[in-house]
Amino acid sequence: GAVVSQHPSRVICKSGTSVKIECRSLDFQATTMFWYRQFPKQSLMLMATSNEGSKATYEQGVEKDKFLINHASLTLSTLTVTSAHPEDSSFYICSARDGRGPYEQYFGPGTRLTVT
Amino acid sequence: AQKVTQAQTEISVVEKEDVTLDCVYETRDTTYYLFWYKQPPSGELVFLIRRNSFDEQNEISGRYSWNFQKSTSSFNFTITASQVVDSAVYFCALSEGGGSEKLVFGKGTKLTVNP
Repeated sequence: GAVVSQHPSRVICKSGTSVKIECRSLDFQATTMFWYRQFPKQSLMLMATSNEGSKATYEQGVEKDKFLINHASLTLSTLTVTSAHPEDSSFYICSARDGRGPYEQYFGPGTRLTVT
Repeated sequence: AQKVTQAQTEISVVEKEDVTLDCVYETRDTTYYLFWYKQPPSGELVFLIRRNSFDEQNEISGRYSWNFQKSTSSFNFTITASQVVDSAVYFCALSEGGGSEKLVFGKGTKLTVNP
């Protein structure tokens, strides 16, 4: 089956610093990738949709200048949390859509970000 | 607007009991997709099933079964003879057709299966 990886799996950073999270589709080309955020004991909320080679589309209420998304290739999307604050601490999950298949999203294992 | 409601926040059962997780959805589209995902404590989402809006047939996969009823906008999930390994948070999700593919998740139901 299709595999999506995320790196790092866990990261702790200090307030004010920036953190980059990578999402890779390992055995397929992902024309579209999605970034979700999950607070403890809560549901997943879509943050943004990124298409290869174009700007990401952010959901309402998500600060595009704070959460920078780059989808530079068909197998890699990155999410950079800029000037992180403790309230950005969360579980970030990406998913990737196989360009060949209908509406199938494959999820990465998630990245747990803790901002101290 | 799309919405997914999982009214059961937490369910606790004893091993071998059957358990049904409810999911009610709202959408104005005639073409849409419904999903169930399992999220164990490790956090990784495990895909369980996708169903499109034109296929109302119930599905069974081992101990898992799904009941899709458009008349009540429900897509319920039943685990038969539950096992401790079934303990997890289960999410129901909805995606509208037409290529948007954005998933709207319900709040999840935490299932605890006790030995």
